[in-house]
Amino acid sequence: QKEVEQNSGPLSVPEGAIASLNCTYSDRVSQSFFWYRQYSGKSPELIMSIYSNGDKEDGRFTAQLNKASQYVSLLIRDSQPSDSATYLCAVNGNQFYFGTGTSLTVIP
Amino acid sequence: DAGVTQSPTHLIKTRGQQVTLRCSPKSGHDTVSWYQQALGQGPQFIFQYYEEEERQRGNFPDRFSGHQFPNYSSELNVNALLLGDSALYLCASSFRDRVLDGYTFGSGTRLTVV
Repeated sequence: QKEVEQNSGPLSVPEGAIASLNCTYSDRVSQSFFWYRQYSGKSPELIMSIYSNGDKEDGRFTAQLNKASQYVSLLIRDSQPSDSATYLCAVNGNQFYFGTGTSLTVIP
Repeated sequence: DAGVTQSPTHLIKTRGQQVTLRCSPKSGHDTVSWYQQALGQGPQFIFQYYEEEERQRGNFPDRFSGHQFPNYSSELNVNALLLGDSALYLCASSFRDRVLDGYTFGSGTRLTVV
């Protein structure tokens, strides 16, 4: 079992819709959770971090964490074509693990 | 405020050669981690350096080694290059006592082994 699992996609949503990205992790000692965005050929950039169960909102982005289910998600509201990228879930436990990423395409 | 700086940006090497990649962390950061990212894959953890010592290591062979200098900058060395070592190598820096802040990544070094 991989430490962090994501649906690789691709996920396509129309402009203005909500994009939902999901991630599960296996290490129960994980303390902090991160979503990174990576444009093709570029390095990952941090979008959001979350440490406590529940929701955390930042502009159009909402991260959700459920430690009992070992599940993290990212919602992107009012999706824009510029949101088209690969989204990486990362979990900080014994090591900093990344998932393989979910490719998102926002269709104008 | 300079972010994470990596050099070189691109590199082409021949099988069996050795390569050294360099990283300067973001100002104020004291921990450097190295990742390998193959095309279409997520970053794979190679190792992490703090206080000039390797603190954690991922599932990579001993051909991969590193170093951290007193100014927190770091090098990644790969010996006896294989075709499969072709990838984007990412350096990420962080502050040891603020792990909840996550990592800041450099732009990466694209290594091609021919």
